[in-house]
Amino acid sequence: GAGVSQTPSNKVTEKGKYVELRCDPISGHTALYWYRQSLGQGPEFLIYFQGTGAADDSGLPNDRFFAVRPEGSVSTLKIQRTERGDSAVYLCASSSQGGMEREQFFGPGTRLTVL
Amino acid sequence: DQQVKQNSPSLSVQEGRISILNCDYTNSMFDYFLWYKKYPAEGPTFLISISSIKDKNEDGRFTVFLNKSAKHLSLHIVPSQPGDSAVYFCAASAQEYGNKLVFGAGTILRVKS
Repeated sequence: GAGVSQTPSNKVTEKGKYVELRCDPISGHTALYWYRQSLGQGPEFLIYFQGTGAADDSGLPNDRFFAVRPEGSVSTLKIQRTERGDSAVYLCASSSQGGMEREQFFGPGTRLTVL
Repeated sequence: DQQVKQNSPSLSVQEGRISILNCDYTNSMFDYFLWYKKYPAEGPTFLISISSIKDKNEDGRFTVFLNKSAKHLSLHIVPSQPGDSAVYFCAASAQEYGNKLVFGAGTILRVKS
């Protein structure tokens, strides 16, 4: 079946602009996660959705970052007033909750560059 | 503070030999551990996992060992193949934290033919 998809694959924007990054999880997966990966580091957790609600947004760096998942499937990560330090690869992952195995399946990521 | 550490930034191994990648963690709440492989310009791909109730899990050429008392896990790849060359990430999760993954910084594995 189809895996996790993310659009766009690349986004270049100017400092101060607003951007939206989209994630389509694996069909039927109730849990959705956003991570951010900077060069030379592992992915860092941003926010976790269980269904439509944000169950844990403790990883969002500040209030410029916001994410939604209105129908419990597709999610959008929104960044306002972008800064150069927001440049990174934004990864989305989904998993089916319940059961013993807790693997998360990742999309290819969106590379965001803020000039 | 780094809760998951991969202290070797890179590892070079001859084709056919064993690759051993190591990972240490500090948080005793972690109860599930995973290894991911990542190629350039792709997202991480799940490789193998282990629950804290086990000390070993094997899947083909890949085996993960968990030493809870030492808070240490390792991934063994035998035999190593050139296609295994990638960045390997160790990750840990806890049910109490909603299963969000905490990653190490990664180890670049290069398998020479």
